Amino acid sequence: GENVEQHPSTLSVQEGDSAVIKCTYSDSASNYFPWYKQELGKRPQLIIDIRSNVGEKKDQRIAVTLNKTAKHFSLHITETQPEDSAVYFCAASLNTGNQFYFGTGTSLTVIP
Amino acid sequence: KAGVTQTPRYLIKTRGQQVTLSCSPISGHRSVSWYQQTPGQGLQFLFEYFSETQRNKGNFPGRFSGRQFSNSRSEMNVSTLELGDSALYLCASSTQYSHGELFFGEGSRLTVL
Repeated sequence: GENVEQHPSTLSVQEGDSAVIKCTYSDSASNYFPWYKQELGKRPQLIIDIRSNVGEKKDQRIAVTLNKTAKHFSLHITETQPEDSAVYFCAASLNTGNQFYFGTGTSLTVIP
Repeated sequence: KAGVTQTPRYLIKTRGQQVTLSCSPISGHRSVSWYQQTPGQGLQFLFEYFSETQRNKGNFPGRFSGRQFSNSRSEMNVSTLELGDSALYLCASSTQYSHGELFFGEGSRLTVL
């Protein structure tokens, strides 16, 4: 099956700085890559996703890039705010259906 | 529209017992999947159901099973509980057939003593 690795496991940034979280996947057949944000004590929620036919996607302060050749994708958060503090999970999917392989998560802390 | 509802929210069992967890998806969502969340391991896929059929299954032992009913509600069962089964079990539903946004429930936290 697919194996998704995520780095770093923890990340602290000053408010206003940028944060970058990186993930690699093992199966070149993976074709859909969502990112989920889980605030403390809450359920994960989708924040952005990218499909394998796209190299980059932006949504306000967040962006995701995909390098299919290297089999890695990254989440970029600019102008971080305290409310960005959460655990972020990357995921990959290669099958028909809604089966996702998640990374182990990155705990982001934005220091005011 | 009501969100994904999971019951029970918390439960404590002892080794060797079995447990059944329930999930009611968002109305109209036919895809229901289950994940095990543990510290350091992230979310690990258990299985996914669509229209009462198991479409995908993760790499978990046969002690873990599930089913989906005609109203899309789903249950998962874990038999012969082990200490390592202690985790948060998350259910997620999606309106899409494939690669859809997952809407998670609040989870059922299982503690095995």
